[in-house]
Amino acid sequence: KAGVTQTPRYLIKTRGQQVTLSCSPISGHRSVSWYQQTPGQGLQFLFEYFSETQRNKGNFPGRFSGRQFSNSRSEMNVSTLELGDSALYLCASTPDLNYGYTFGSGTRLTVV
Amino acid sequence: AQSVSQHNHHVILSEAASLELGCNYSYGGTVNLFWYVQYPGQHLQLLLKYFSGDPLVKGIKGFEAEFIKSKFSFNLRKPSVQWSDTAEYFCAVITSGNTPLVFGKGTRLSVIA
Repeated sequence: KAGVTQTPRYLIKTRGQQVTLSCSPISGHRSVSWYQQTPGQGLQFLFEYFSETQRNKGNFPGRFSGRQFSNSRSEMNVSTLELGDSALYLCASTPDLNYGYTFGSGTRLTVV
Repeated sequence: AQSVSQHNHHVILSEAASLELGCNYSYGGTVNLFWYVQYPGQHLQLLLKYFSGDPLVKGIKGFEAEFIKSKFSFNLRKPSVQWSDTAEYFCAVITSGNTPLVFGKGTRLSVIA
């Protein structure tokens, strides 16, 4: 059974640019969540989608956005990149809270 | 909003030593609790989870955790650590209702020979 797939694995962008990250959940999982992981802050929740609707949103500026498609695949977008956006972005999926969340390997974004 | 505290930032143990990592959460209602592990260069993996029932939960690789509701705690334990347990450990909580999974800041465990 395929796991959660995130693409690309690595990304280098320049300040001011925008970036789109992709996440394909495990087949049958309708909930997708995104997290930002940094050494100092740990895992911070960005947003959660369920059946194409944003169910929860973390405390991040409006430059961070996301969406979910009808096949449950999700994308997140960061516009006007800042140096502080450099982080590992993790996607997780679950069919139901009772099963826990399965995480992808992440996309490591470096902003220069 | 709920929050999770992991008191130890970095723990260094010798092989065969016993491990206990602390986790406290701040929410008075029903909670589902998780411990995740992130080995160097790998993705987060679920170690164990608690939803209800027996407060002593056994997970993979010999880990266990005890839910103590009165102390709002869910500490992770292992009787004898191995070098391969070197990793970062994250405690996480989700409350009943429509809330996201919230993580603690993690504890880095280094096991030395």
